[in-house]
Amino acid sequence: EPEVTQTPSHQVTQMGQEVILRCVPISNHLYFYWYRQILGQKVEFLVSFYNNEISEKSEIFDDQFSVERPDGSNFTLKIRSTKLEDSAMYFCASSEEGLGKTQYFGPGTRLLVL
Amino acid sequence: RKEVEQDPGPFNVPEGATVAFNCTYSNSASQSFFWYRQDCRKEPKLLMSVYSSGNEDGRFTAQLNRASQYISLLIRDSKLSDSATYLCVVTPLSGGYNKLIFGAGTRLAVHP
Repeated sequence: EPEVTQTPSHQVTQMGQEVILRCVPISNHLYFYWYRQILGQKVEFLVSFYNNEISEKSEIFDDQFSVERPDGSNFTLKIRSTKLEDSAMYFCASSEEGLGKTQYFGPGTRLLVL
Repeated sequence: RKEVEQDPGPFNVPEGATVAFNCTYSNSASQSFFWYRQDCRKEPKLLMSVYSSGNEDGRFTAQLNRASQYISLLIRDSKLSDSATYLCVVTPLSGGYNKLIFGAGTRLAVHP
């Protein structure tokens, strides 16, 4: 069964450093997403991406965040200057085009900012 | 008011019990509704979509009441493997219909 993959599974970084989280969505999917989950809290939407551009972003997704699809398979989330409060689990998801289509989540990257 | 509110839990039930989870959502324009399951430190996984007419998948039954903006999930004959956090999820009609809005989740612990 096709699945979304994410690398790395864990990332530890120093405050102020840049991190890039990588995702390989399911191959025939056209919508890509990033969500985050701070420990003990709910899953929160960050950004959706379609047709090589951001289709929607949340208030959390400020100027320090960016997304890119650098080639035909990878989808990345970059955090330019990490803060302590960026520590969370980051989930990538993908879906087919269309209303109410199931979003399939990757296993997540656990980011710890020290 | 939170966009999606769920029973706080945790629910501790014996194997074989029937358990019901409730959820309310604030945006009346919400378009799609789901229950996801999340195991500890794992990704959310779709359990089932929720349709206006109600739907059933084996031991799981989901109901939607659009007038009351209320969603429910019933689990019959609970198994140990049902232990997880159950997430109520909606998508808004406007502002990006594919954005998932998650509730905080209700934790279920099924014991022998």
